[in-house]
Formats: sequence, structure tokens, C-alpha cells
Amino acid sequence: DTGVSQDPRHKITKRGQNVTFRCDPISEHNRLYWYRQTLGQGPEFLTYFQNEAQLEKSRLLSDRFSAERPKGSFSTLEIQRTEQGDSAMYLCASSPRGDSPFRSGTQYFGPGTRLTVL
Amino acid sequence: GNSVTQMEGPVTLSEEAFLTINCTYTATGYPSLFWYVQYPGEGLQLLLKATKADDKGSNKGFEATYRKETTSFHLEKGSVQVSDSAVYFCALRGGSSYKLIFGSGTRLLVRP
Repeated sequence: DTGVSQDPRHKITKRGQNVTFRCDPISEHNRLYWYRQTLGQGPEFLTYFQNEAQLEKSRLLSDRFSAERPKGSFSTLEIQRTEQGDSAMYLCASSPRGDSPFRSGTQYFGPGTRLTVL
Repeated sequence: GNSVTQMEGPVTLSEEAFLTINCTYTATGYPSLFWYVQYPGEGLQLLLKATKADDKGSNKGFEATYRKETTSFHLEKGSVQVSDSAVYFCALRGGSSYKLIFGSGTRLLVRP
């Protein structure tokens, strides 16, 4: 039984560079979420997909951020022209079919990708 | 908008002590409430949840009761162990949204 996986686990980049992270959800989970967590804070929602459709985006997701889930399986999160303020842990989570806001199924989190922008 | 407030840490206890971590929330309607735990070097894991008022979530000796009248979901454990040392996050999911809204986390340190 494999959980949510994320790659890479750590990324160090220079300001102004582009970075891309990958998330592989639990097999057959149709919902996938991205969150960002800064030191000493709780995770903050960025965006979520149902299958390949991006259904909700936070105002935190500036135009430098883009997320895709082209085949409804893995997802990528790209940050263009990185800034030092982008340094954070980027978390991916997934939840199974049959979940709804009114049934409140569990979101299963990956280990995260820690981004450091120098 | 919806929000979660939890007590600041760190909380330092001796083994076998009683634990309470306070969590209160602001939300319209009837949110679902969660406690997640993050052990050192590991990802977030669901600890327990409650989906309606007066529900009690429980797992691994931890409990929390959904109190709508006080908008609270305090986490309790009768006897903590060193292995419970972790960061605990209270979270809610409300309305028609699937997103989780987290508190800022409370670090628990249990000493032998």
C-alpha cells in the first residue's frame, strides 16, 4: 500500500529560477490538493483538483504559480521566478471517490517538498 | 471567513500527565472538525475527526468532542507517552468547499 509521494523532497534554488514539484496521489484517489506550510504555521490551502479539473484556487496562488493534473493522476506545481518568500514546505494530499464536504472524508498527506530560495 | 485558533505551544508534560490542547473555530454552518498530527520527520496524519455537533472523535487514546455551543474541539488524552511528542494541528472543513483550514499548530513535548 503506497501513500502519497512527492518529488523532490528538498529543492534549493536561486531567486528568479523556476521550479517544478511532482505529486503522485494514492491510486484511484480522484481528488488532489496542494497546501503550503511555512515554519511555525499550519498548512495553507493553495488549490485542488477533481480528476483533471482544477476546481478551487486560493488567492495565495499568484500568477507565478501554476498547477496541473493532466490525466487525473499525478500533479505538478510550478513556481516561476521564485522569490525568497516562496521558501516553504509544499504539501500534497489526496482523498478518495465518494468524499464530499458533507461526508468529510480523510485527506492523506504526502511527506512534502521543502523549497529553499536563496 | 472560516478560521481555527489553537493554543500556542510548546506544551511540555511529563509522561503519564493529562493533556489538553485547546482549539476553537469560526465558521458558518456546520463544519467538520479534525485533528492532524505531525511526528518529527513525517507527514501529516489524521488523528481523529467529528462531523456534527456532540460527536466525539477518538483514536490512540486521544479524544475530542465537537461543541457547537462553544465552537470548540479540544484535544485530550488521559496519560501521554514520550512517543506522543509531535505537532498537533486542529482543522476544519466547511460549507461546500473541500479545502482544510488549519490552526497554527501546537508542539507537544513529553519528557520521561
